[in-house]
Parts: sequence; structure tokens; C-alpha cells
Amino acid sequence: DIVMTQSPDSLAVSLGERATINCKSSQSVLYSSNNRLYVAWYQQKPGQPPKLLIYWASTRESGVPDRFSGSGSGTDFTLTIDSLHAEDVAVYYCQQYYSPPYSFGPGTKVDIK
Amino acid sequence: EVQLMESGGGLVQPGGSLRLSCAASGFTFSDYYMDWVRQAPGKGLEWVGRVRSKGQSYTTDYAASVRGRFTVSRDDSKNSLYLQMNSLKTEDTAVFYCVRVKSGGAFDMWGQGTMVTVSS
Repeated sequence: DIVMTQSPDSLAVSLGERATINCKSSQSVLYSSNNRLYVAWYQQKPGQPPKLLIYWASTRESGVPDRFSGSGSGTDFTLTIDSLHAEDVAVYYCQQYYSPPYSFGPGTKVDIK
Repeated sequence: EVQLMESGGGLVQPGGSLRLSCAASGFTFSDYYMDWVRQAPGKGLEWVGRVRSKGQSYTTDYAASVRGRFTVSRDDSKNSLYLQMNSLKTEDTAVFYCVRVKSGGAFDMWGQGTMVTVSS
């Protein structure tokens, strides 16, 4: 099974500043036949279901603000929130959908400093 | 409007059974793989299981923690997804989300969730 880890557990960022969340997979999630990374990022606000932000490690879901971006390769991935807005306070999860069980990272809580 | 709505949650004793349902609307349900994901109170997300589409013979996959106890099924004629849960344990207490799997595999639509509490 693929294990996803995230760092940090939580972070506090000033409004307008950048937030960076890291995620690591225990094995490669690169599918060689299509050269795609099977990693997604989700945002979950209190009392709400998760929302898909990024898939294929770097493709923004429709309607997601462009201050959210994803990057990575092999086994290391990053979600960046440029210019943090108040509404970005949430827990962020990475996930691999390369092979079942489709595991999530433990989450990173983002707050305002 | 594209929507997933879960129902069937509640309080059940350890060892008991419960069947969750998810009603889909606003999209061609039969075209999509569908999953269940759960979240224990104050905890992270745990994938539970998947049922693929008719084209993939409705095959299923499960997390090890529920395999043999839970069954994911679907009725495309009713645009509905189900989760039959047997031999429930206290550690199964969670909000259960119905999830649509977009082409490629990411989870692009989530229901609001239904709470399952396993307690004596």
C-alpha cells in the first residue's frame, strides 16, 4: 500500500503571504504509459466535505482560484497558496489515486497568523 | 444541479448492520466510478471502497479495514450508490461521504456526508 505523508501538520500565514504544504508518497505514483502523476489535493473547511483543488499533481480543477498551484515529481509534491486569503483557512489533504487503497495524507491545517 | 445526497446513517450497536444510500442527480451516473470515503470525528480522510461502472463489470475494491464486512454496490437505473455495512465496530464511527470519481481517478464531487455512530 502507498503511504502519503504531509508536512507541516499545521501552519499560520499572514494574509497576502504564501503558504506551502509538502506531501510525500512512499512509492512512485508516476504512471509511465501516460507520464502522469496520480496525486490530488483537497481543501476541507469546517463542517464541509472536501473539495478537489488540484489533480494530476498540477492541474487546477475548474473554478479553483489561480492562487492555488501544485507541483512535484516522483514521490515529492507541493501545494502552494500564493497570497493567502481569509477564506483559505482549512485543512488540506493530498491523495494518491495511482492504486487502491487510494490513500490520503494526514492533512495540514492552515490558519491566519 | 449536480448533486450527491447520502442517507441512512444513524446509531447502531457493535456487531450490527446498516445500509447507506447515495442519490445522484445532475449527471450521467452510470458513466462514473463511485466511491465511499469516511472521516472519523476530528480525524482525517479514509478511503473505504469503490464500485466501477458497467463497462468495468461493476468490479469493486475495498480498504483492508472493511474488506469482508462492507459491500459497495450501485443501481444505475435508480442513480444510486449503496454501502452495506455488517459486523460494525466502534472504530467504524465516522461521517461517510459518497464520492464521484472523475476520469483519471481524482475525486471531483462529494456529498455532504451521513454520520454513522457505532456504540452500545
